[in-house]
Amino acid sequence: AQSVTQPDIHITVSEGASLELRCNYSYGATPYLFWYVQSPGQGLQLLLKYFSGDTLVQGIKGFEAEFKRSQSSFNLRKPSVHWSDAAEYFCAVVYNFNKFYFGSGTKLNVKP
Amino acid sequence: EPEVTQTPSHQVTQMGQEVILRCVPISNHLYFYWYRQILGQKVEFLVSFYNNEISEKSEIFDDQFSVERPDGSNFTLKIRSTKLEDSAMYFCASRATGTAPEAFFGQGTRLTVV
Repeated sequence: AQSVTQPDIHITVSEGASLELRCNYSYGATPYLFWYVQSPGQGLQLLLKYFSGDTLVQGIKGFEAEFKRSQSSFNLRKPSVHWSDAAEYFCAVVYNFNKFYFGSGTKLNVKP
Repeated sequence: EPEVTQTPSHQVTQMGQEVILRCVPISNHLYFYWYRQILGQKVEFLVSFYNNEISEKSEIFDDQFSVERPDGSNFTLKIRSTKLEDSAMYFCASRATGTAPEAFFGQGTRLTVV
């Protein structure tokens, strides 16, 4: 069965520090990969997506993600975190142009 | 930029009442979805809709749920007799064609059942 794993439920980083949020998926074929951010009580904002081609993709707000087929991973990174990045981040995958499977989310806390 | 619009943003209803959540997908999109997020949990697929019929539904989508595209622009989710456990954020999404994997999500409707 298809699944998406975000192993870190909570992460705390200091403002200005680098960030990496992990995402692993289980499926034989390459899925379509997405990262969304959700502020409290708000909807889902698309940060970036990977469909094919260059495995390092750039997104909004200075985020990037790297697809690693050998590790079935699509980790989200940011070189320098800002206080406004505090939110919950969801990795999602789509197979066969069908429905989204979401990970359970990682809550990011940013220390001043 | 076109976007998916959901109304209302927040709805409070009494247990046992019927609610209708409304969505206006992006105008040239053909595939429509409802997802649910219970507070503190992940986003879960409820149902997909294409060509005026349900194409797939999850085990969550039981007989108390129904979807409809009553006209050319709206896509609705009806919950016939709400339960406390239906309290959640409900997201509508739409997708353009069969070869476009990306769906666009609305901002959600927060449903509170009391």
